[in-house]
Amino acid sequence: DTAVSQTPKYLVTQMGNDKSIKCEQNLGHDTMYWYKQDSKKFLKIMFSYNNKELIINETVPNRFSPKSPDKAHLNLHINSLELGDSAVYFCASSRNGEKLFFGSGTQLSVL
Amino acid sequence: GENVEQHPSTLSVQEGDSAVIKCTYSDSASNYFPWYKQELGKRPQLIIDIRSNVGEKKDQRIAVTLNKTAKHFSLHITETQPEDSAVYFCAAGGSRGGADGLTFGKGTHLIIQP
Repeated sequence: DTAVSQTPKYLVTQMGNDKSIKCEQNLGHDTMYWYKQDSKKFLKIMFSYNNKELIINETVPNRFSPKSPDKAHLNLHINSLELGDSAVYFCASSRNGEKLFFGSGTQLSVL
Repeated sequence: GENVEQHPSTLSVQEGDSAVIKCTYSDSASNYFPWYKQELGKRPQLIIDIRSNVGEKKDQRIAVTLNKTAKHFSLHITETQPEDSAVYFCAAGGSRGGADGLTFGKGTHLIIQP
């Protein structure tokens, strides 16, 4: 059973579209995250949620909106997609901010 | 916030030799320092971690050392094998009870030459 699962694995879309990425964890962790990995492989945190409450919102355009319906799910919605949004987006979860477990990633390509 | 610097960005070693990757961090409140390995097209996976109350930790061919005073920590891989080829990330976190998640270094591309 996959501990942290995210869908879709690949997302190819046109500029200006709105898209969502879903993430679920079955580890019973209390904190979930979204990380962005750019073409240079740099992993940068975007959001952190603890028990459905937003903890971190790094300098991310407000076109990105996380939604956590319960502590096992953290979805990412992106409005008005831009070329620069192309990257791999990783969901992750942890207990107390340690030992992050990552999902398999969503490769987003904006054309 | 935390800032993590990682060196080198690329490291090429002969199979069987040792590899060392070094990181520094800025936030003295950080107390948790993991290392992740990411193979091409895959997710980062935790390979070893260390907490600030420990100076060194070893797991088979990999070891991590931490110098809290100097705010630097290192990953050591001995007897390198082709399957060690990957991108390695150091990270720091644990301040504010872990609420800030982990701050990652920019990664080291380790190449094992046969």
